Amino acid sequence: EAQVTQNPRYLITVTGKKLTVTCSQNMNHEYMSWYRQDPGLGLRQIYYSMNVEVTDKGDVPEGYKVSRKEKRNFPLILESPSPNQTSLYFCASYPGAGGPGEQYFGPGTRLTVT
Amino acid sequence: QKEVEQDPGPLSVPEGAIVSLNCTYSNSAFQYFMWYRQYSRKGPELLMYTYSSGNKEDGRFTAQVDKSSKYISLFIRDSQPSDSATYLCAMSLNSGYSTLTFGKGTMLLVSP
Repeated sequence: EAQVTQNPRYLITVTGKKLTVTCSQNMNHEYMSWYRQDPGLGLRQIYYSMNVEVTDKGDVPEGYKVSRKEKRNFPLILESPSPNQTSLYFCASYPGAGGPGEQYFGPGTRLTVT
Repeated sequence: QKEVEQDPGPLSVPEGAIVSLNCTYSNSAFQYFMWYRQYSRKGPELLMYTYSSGNKEDGRFTAQVDKSSKYISLFIRDSQPSDSATYLCAMSLNSGYSTLTFGKGTMLLVSP
């Protein structure tokens, strides 16, 4: 089954404790993205990757890091989480053909930073 | 002025009603227009995808784009309780990868 998986689905952590949210896709897609979704603000892109070792900032990259060492994986790293990073995070992948709307989203990771 | 405006709702309709969901935008360079559906506790899923102005139909769903007015719409005919979800519009500048700009979403509730 074609899918984007994220782990963990729920995470509660404390300020300053480094964490990684993993994302994996099994569709051999070139492009992958991370979004955060907040009430009243909608979905905002954090980072995206066009291929292995190629990443770029989205609209809200501050406080986040990403890496793309393998095509299927695109982890999101919070080196020193803060309460304003409490949010619902989505990973998405896109085949690179057909248009940017053809993004497949993962199930989401709800992060709470206390 | 926000780049993409979308009424958050909720929009409540009875089963069988025709639903109209809308977004306005300010950037005339947007060329690709999408509608995503998001069920509670799930990721968004693509419903409709159109390029430039015009209409596109898929079953009970029709997407309309009016670039001259910077206005897009999604119509749902014969709405069903299973259509209850949040509907997000999204737009991008070109067909190569570029940032998607999302509306905040409209919550739709279809009552039996």
